Amino acid sequence: DARVTQTPRDKVTEMGQEVTMRCQPILGHNTVFWYRQTMMQGLELLAYFRNRAPLDDSGMPKDRFSAEMPDATLATLKIQPSEPRDSAVYFCASGSDSRAGQYFGPGTRLTVT
Amino acid sequence: GDSVTQMEGPVTLSEEAFLTINCTYTATGYPSLFWYVQYPGEGLQLLLKATKADDKGSNKGFEATYRKETTSFHLEKGSVQVSDSAVYFCALTGEGGAQKLVFGQGTRLTINP
Repeated sequence: DARVTQTPRDKVTEMGQEVTMRCQPILGHNTVFWYRQTMMQGLELLAYFRNRAPLDDSGMPKDRFSAEMPDATLATLKIQPSEPRDSAVYFCASGSDSRAGQYFGPGTRLTVT
Repeated sequence: GDSVTQMEGPVTLSEEAFLTINCTYTATGYPSLFWYVQYPGEGLQLLLKATKADDKGSNKGFEATYRKETTSFHLEKGSVQVSDSAVYFCALTGEGGAQKLVFGQGTRLTINP
């Protein structure tokens, strides 16, 4: 049963520290998405990649967030420096076809104090 | 642009009640339509999908029919269980192969024993 995996599952850090979240998409999926979910804003698309190339990162605060795909099995989302308002659950999802839908990982719960 | 409108929640039902969560969409052409479910503390799971008009998606007793004439994709279940308590998201991907999902705002469902 293929799944998207994310690490870490929980992260508590202090304001100003760097945070890196990792995602392993489902093997064979060519598109990877990063989302953020909060009670106030709901689910927001931050960025996505197709065949490892960034297609859209307009949802990301550019000054502190960066997303990369070093290879087809790894996507990373980095926040530097982190701020308390970044506290949220960050989800990675992958897909291969617009008609098949996206498959979500379990999320990384980030708390910035 | 494309959009999805869901029935406002929260929705509270008794066990074995009939469930309907309304979803309507605005999109050009023939989008693919999805329902996702998010259980507490977990990521979104693809519940069911339909890719063309009059298709019926079904899974775990839930059903939804792609109605082009009313631009709707309402979620139904004949007899809900306490374990169905979750947040339900209606979503679409547009024509043209883009995999970006457009989500509704989510409907929180609580089933009481």
